[in-house]
Amino acid sequence: AQKITQTQPGMFVQEKEAVTLDCTYDTSDQSYGLFWYKQPSSGEMIFLIYQGSYDEQNATEGRYSLNFQKARKSANLVISASQLGDSAMYFCAMREANTDKLIFGTGTRLQVFP
Amino acid sequence: DVKVTQSSRYLVKRTGEKVFLECVQDMDHENMFWYRQDPGLGLRLIYFSYDVKMKEKGDIPEGYSVSREKKERFSLILESASTNQTSMYLCASSQGNQPQHFGDGTRLSIL
Repeated sequence: AQKITQTQPGMFVQEKEAVTLDCTYDTSDQSYGLFWYKQPSSGEMIFLIYQGSYDEQNATEGRYSLNFQKARKSANLVISASQLGDSAMYFCAMREANTDKLIFGTGTRLQVFP
Repeated sequence: DVKVTQSSRYLVKRTGEKVFLECVQDMDHENMFWYRQDPGLGLRLIYFSYDVKMKEKGDIPEGYSVSREKKERFSLILESASTNQTSMYLCASSQGNQPQHFGDGTRLSIL
């Protein structure tokens, strides 16, 4: 069965430093998509970045990049130059093949300190 | 920008009440979803809908039902609320391969 695993319940990073949030996934599908969402304390879920299973390049969106290692089934989120506003919960998710459903991990709470 | 609006940010109801959570999206999306979010469990899919009057069960449908009479509106119904349904409820919509867009969430407390 498809599954997303985020092993870091919480992470701390100093402002302006880079941080990596881990995500591993399990699927037998060849075609799938991987997503990262940010959830500030206010509650809304904000889409950050997407990686398709057939994409050869790692996805990047501004300060966010996705370190996609297909053979290891990992899709880690890298945030460069952390800012105080990056403090939030971060969720990794996978979209199954031929469906629009998402499977979410349990999340990582990131705290950025000055 | 896609706008997904959930009718309430906070809601307090009593055990046994019938509870309606409403969600409206303004981008003519085909797909709509209801999730609940609990600490340590992430988001779990309750129900989803691919079209008007169509619905499919997600991973945890027990105790819930849904209604989609119009394309833009997807309602989650707690038939007889129980304390274990106290949670954060998130609605989302999407179209094709695009990412799901979420509402701000409803924090529901059942007393």
